[in-house]
Amino acid sequence: QVQLVQSGAEVKKPGSSVKVSCKASGDTLRSYAITWVRQAPGHGLEWMGGFIPIFRRAAYAQKFQGRVTVTADESTNTAYMDLSSLRFEDTAVYFCARGLQGADDVFDIWGQGTLVTVSS
Amino acid sequence: EVVMTQSPATLSVSPGERATLSCRASQSLSSNLAWYQQKPGQAPRLLIYAASTRATGIPARFSGSGSGTEFTLTISSLQSEDFAVYYCQQYNYWPPYTFGQGTKVEIK
Repeated sequence: QVQLVQSGAEVKKPGSSVKVSCKASGDTLRSYAITWVRQAPGHGLEWMGGFIPIFRRAAYAQKFQGRVTVTADESTNTAYMDLSSLRFEDTAVYFCARGLQGADDVFDIWGQGTLVTVSS
Repeated sequence: EVVMTQSPATLSVSPGERATLSCRASQSLSSNLAWYQQKPGQAPRLLIYAASTRATGIPARFSGSGSGTEFTLTISSLQSEDFAVYYCQQYNYWPPYTFGQGTKVEIK
């Protein structure tokens, strides 16, 4: 059974950066698209960006362009999301998710979420 | 960016009753729409994709319909475990993929 296990909660200061990891077990990341979605407290889901390892190509939401980078390390079967220039409004739970095989654009396996708190 | 609008915001339903949730897109999506269920403190769970295809392991009481700009998720007979927030997601135009704001299904 494929699982995505994310890194632990973070508390960051405004202007700093955070890097969240997402380790896959039970299968390789190589053949799947990995996407990142965030959820601010009491709010809905917001897509940030995604990485397709086999094509070594990432795509991002315009809102986060220049601040977010998604990567994957095939040797450790781990995906990463790096968000810079943090603002108070970046406080949210960040999820990684895997694209469904044969339908990359929907997400069937999710990590447990990582809470990132931006506080001075 | 495609705007997804879900209605109602909250739906109060008794166990065993039928629930009908709506999702409207600002542009035609063909059938490129998915539905997710999310319970408090948990990650979303994929229910439906391609507007009407149930994901693996999803009970038959969940069904999706629609195309173009109007979509519906129906839960035929609500079970206690179905009380949650439901999101629709479009994947016809990306980036970005966009989600609706959610419909909370609560116990009446």
